[in-house]
Amino acid sequence: QQQVKQSPQSLIVQKGGISIINCAYENTAFDYFPWYQQFPGKGPALLIAIRPDVSEKKEGRFTISFNKSAKQFSLHIMDSQPGDSATYFCAAIVDATNKLIFGTGTLLAVQP
Amino acid sequence: ETGVTQTPRHLVMGMTNKKSLKCEQHLGHNAMYWYKQSAKKPLELMFVYSLEERVENNSVPSRFSPECPNSSHLFLHLHTLQPEDSALYLCASSQDGGGHEKLFFGSGTQLSVL
Repeated sequence: QQQVKQSPQSLIVQKGGISIINCAYENTAFDYFPWYQQFPGKGPALLIAIRPDVSEKKEGRFTISFNKSAKQFSLHIMDSQPGDSATYFCAAIVDATNKLIFGTGTLLAVQP
Repeated sequence: ETGVTQTPRHLVMGMTNKKSLKCEQHLGHNAMYWYKQSAKKPLELMFVYSLEERVENNSVPSRFSPECPNSSHLFLHLHTLQPEDSALYLCASSQDGGGHEKLFFGSGTQLSVL
């Protein structure tokens, strides 16, 4: 019940295309859902996050869509650029705890 | 630069060695974490320190021993490791009370156990 399932494992997108990464969870107590971006040789960095009281959050080219009833959330990268090539992790947490549960990651390659 | 510095960046050690990983945060945070990152697996939370007190220990083998002498420094002491312990070890910090909303990671120590 503590797992966060992420797909796909890897993704290749053409420059200018839309990258979509999906995550699903079981624990309905989760109340904060961040996405992290990790470049080679670096630690993960917070990219964007959402709480379950909204269905969508947009920051620049990055959008989180959240479906509470389906217990799914996804990251959309519009107008994908080669500089977006990185590994993306979804995560979830019950805010009152210290346990941030991560997905397995998606390696995104944006081809020029 | 995220404000969380980890040293060394790379470490190769034999199974009988003793080594330590160091983490320092310059963000004024009061909570620090150790995570283990293995290929194709979710990041695994190992230890959490809040206000220099250990508040989480996720069933980590005793060959990993954390130390938090103050709110800015965190160590992970390693001894008699196994090859399956080879991974990227990430340190992170946050301001406790805000939970993981602002979790800042270091660049990690890539550990290879021979």
